[in-house]
Amino acid sequence: DSGVTQTPKHLITATGQRVTLRCSPRSGDLSVYWYQQSLDQGLQFLIQYYNGEERAKGNILERFSAQQFPDLHSELNLSSLELGDSALYLCASSVGVSLTHTQYFGPGTRLTVL
Amino acid sequence: GQQLNQSPQSMFIQEGEDVSMNCTSSSIFNTWLWYKQDPGEGPVLLIALYKAGELTSNGRLTAQFGITRKDSFLNISASIPSDVGIYFCAGLEVFGKGTRLHILP
Repeated sequence: DSGVTQTPKHLITATGQRVTLRCSPRSGDLSVYWYQQSLDQGLQFLIQYYNGEERAKGNILERFSAQQFPDLHSELNLSSLELGDSALYLCASSVGVSLTHTQYFGPGTRLTVL
Repeated sequence: GQQLNQSPQSMFIQEGEDVSMNCTSSSIFNTWLWYKQDPGEGPVLLIALYKAGELTSNGRLTAQFGITRKDSFLNISASIPSDVGIYFCAGLEVFGKGTRLHILP
């Protein structure tokens, strides 16, 4: 158990819908990272937040947005969903802002868009 | 953007065999990380390499940071059933597509 929790574990929805994924980092970690994992694209970094502020951005679509709250949990919002958004969405946390700090991954949210 | 190429994509080996997999890039990386992912779980960091030429071990696992900073390899000695999974190399937030390890009974 990494100490990172993600809810829900599974989510099934329809095209055009909007969903919110939640991540709680390990106790004491200030950074949260979101990744998308699919069979064809592999693991793609989406975005990093540190202590409530956006710190790094990867291949995140404009239809996707995230935020980190004062209690340090983070939410990833996915809107106007398309079939190709079906993937495992992973959250990771680390103690510091630098990407060199060890990241601890949660079990992920499996999103299926029908 | 930066890409990491992992090979092989999958491996089928007998229990007890040694395993070698590698990761290459056309770009220079200053950090190489190796993760393992079990089904239904997120990746878990196995070894982190921060210096060109560095050779680091973690139990039966050994990884090296290539001197050109464009490659890394991971070796697993005397494989056991729990080694089954997907192994990813990463340069911080950039991940390879993984090597899937299968162990034949």
